[in-house]
Amino acid sequence: NAGVTQTPKFRVLKTGQSMTLLCAQDMNHEYMYWYRQDPGMGLRLIHYSVGEGTTAKGEVPDGYNVSRLKKQNFLLGLESAAPSQTSVYFCASSDRGDYGYTFGSGTRLTVV
Amino acid sequence: GEDVEQSLFLSVREGDSSVINCTYTDSSSTYLYWYKQEPGAGLQLLTYIFSNMDMKQDQRLTVLLNKKDKHLSLRIADTQTGDSAIYFCAEIPYGNNRLAFGKGNQVVVIP
Repeated sequence: NAGVTQTPKFRVLKTGQSMTLLCAQDMNHEYMYWYRQDPGMGLRLIHYSVGEGTTAKGEVPDGYNVSRLKKQNFLLGLESAAPSQTSVYFCASSDRGDYGYTFGSGTRLTVV
Repeated sequence: GEDVEQSLFLSVREGDSSVINCTYTDSSSTYLYWYKQEPGAGLQLLTYIFSNMDMKQDQRLTVLLNKKDKHLSLRIADTQTGDSAIYFCAEIPYGNNRLAFGKGNQVVVIP
């Protein structure tokens, strides 16, 4: 099925560990986004990309890095995980950025 | 920057109507959206309204847009237990290409 796939679905990290979350889309969308969802905070944009090879900071970028080496993949990295990064992470893609977002099913990350 | 505000919690009896409200500050948004998130699930696009419309009806859903007051609402008629979820309003300000969400409104339907 066409859509956005996020891996892994669940992960527990120790403080200071690093990890990479992978987002893959097969719709040939130009725009890709990483959001985090926290209770009572809605979804906040971490980083986004407007095309292959581009990245830009969103609302809450600190502590995260991203890469978009291939158009279909958008990677979110945590270099040194902190408990404040415990959250549910959602990836999304869009063809034009102004309409038609498709979301992945989320990655639940716990940092202990 | 843009700021989307929502109230947090609504309890409604099955069969009644529920109304969720949202205010936003950026009047340049072309589309305004309502997303639904069921427990433990991802985000599902529920409906949207184009900024030149005042109202949109889609089966049990009615979206009202008051651009003057920057107010968006979602009415769910004949609320069912499957409507229990968190509802997010969202906007994409013109030229921004980034979807901005409200904090969400949890709706609990009581049988």
